[in-house]
Amino acid sequence: QKEVEQNSGPLSVPEGAIASLNCTYSDRGSQSFFWYRQYSGKSPELIMFIYSNGDKEDGRFTAQLNKASQYVSLLIRDSQPSDSATYLCAVRPREYGNKLVFGAGTILRVKS
Amino acid sequence: EAGVAQSPRYKIIEKRQSVAFWCNPISGHATLYWYQQILGQGPKLLIQFQNNGVVDDSQLPKDRFSAERLKGVDSTLKIQPAKLEDSAVYLCASSLKDYGETQYFGPGTRLLVL
Repeated sequence: QKEVEQNSGPLSVPEGAIASLNCTYSDRGSQSFFWYRQYSGKSPELIMFIYSNGDKEDGRFTAQLNKASQYVSLLIRDSQPSDSATYLCAVRPREYGNKLVFGAGTILRVKS
Repeated sequence: EAGVAQSPRYKIIEKRQSVAFWCNPISGHATLYWYQQILGQGPKLLIQFQNNGVVDDSQLPKDRFSAERLKGVDSTLKIQPAKLEDSAVYLCASSLKDYGETQYFGPGTRLLVL
């Protein structure tokens, strides 16, 4: 079982729609959860992080965490063509060291 | 504020050759990470430094990979000898502290082993 699993996609949504990206993780003791965006040929950039169960909103982005179900998601409202990228879910396991374990990413395509 | 710097940006070598990558973290960042990202996969942590000490190198193939961070600032990652499966992007990241801090990634070095 992979530590962090994501649907590879591609997920295609029309411009202006809500894109929903999902991630599951295996380590029940994981503490922190991150969403990174990676444009083709570029390095990952942090979109947002979440530590507590529930929703966290930042502009058009909402992260949702359900530790009981070991599930984290990212919603992108009013999707734009510029949101087309690979979205990486990363989890920080319980052990010391700030290690991030990444999923393989979901490719998002926003069609205008 | 300058970001994480890496060089070279691209490197093509033949298998069994050696190669070295350099990383300069954001000024003042105590923690430095090297990740390997194979095409179609997420980044995988190879080694993490806290100042100039190693925190985690559990996934570093130590028979061929080595890394150092002298004086707690710049870092080099070396592969010797390279294998075909080492073709990947090598990402360096840094964070202010070793826990609870955002990791900032450099542009990466694309390595192709022929």
